Amino acid sequence: KAGVTQTPRYLIKTRGQQVTLSCSPISGHRSVSWYQQTPGQGLQFLFEYFSETQRNKGNFPGRFSGRQFSNSRSEMNVSTLELGDSALYLCASSLMPTQETQYFGPGTRLLVL
Amino acid sequence: SQQGEEDPQALSIQEGENATMNCSYKTSINNLQWYRQNSGRGLVHLILIRSNEREKHSGRLRVTLDTSKKSSSLLITASRAADTASYFCATVPGQNFVFGPGTRLSVLP
Repeated sequence: KAGVTQTPRYLIKTRGQQVTLSCSPISGHRSVSWYQQTPGQGLQFLFEYFSETQRNKGNFPGRFSGRQFSNSRSEMNVSTLELGDSALYLCASSLMPTQETQYFGPGTRLLVL
Repeated sequence: SQQGEEDPQALSIQEGENATMNCSYKTSINNLQWYRQNSGRGLVHLILIRSNEREKHSGRLRVTLDTSKKSSSLLITASRAADTASYFCATVPGQNFVFGPGTRLSVLP
């Protein structure tokens, strides 16, 4: 099976812009989670989707949003980008939510100038 | 404070030596997982140990879990340069995964 794919891999944006990141889970996986990783804060949970519904959301402002499509692919959107949003954004998929082993994509490296 | 915290933050060893990393957590768990991350890449699942297990092996990896002390350790035996990476423990204290800050392991040839 193909692994989790994330596009784009690298992205440079300026403050105030918005960005959309995409994640395609492993075939058959219905749960997708997103994480933000920064040197200062480590890996922080953003949100989790299962069967097109957001199950959980981490402690992030409303500028961070996401959705999941019927084919389990997921997108996350960050509006009004700030310098502090520069990070590696990781997507992970699993068969079922939360308690199962997660399989991570390579990440999208976002740089906000 | 974080649910899972690894110790030490960084570790340098020679190839062939063993590496031990520790993880402490705060709340009760059903399982604890260890992941590896090579520089700037995605995480790779290494091993899962359930709360009713005390020890688990996978190749050169040995994981122990002490639920009374709320701690786990990951031992990598006969380390190789390719083991150079960051290692994270992960738990699910509520409804989502919580990762510790990680241990950065450097294996010198």
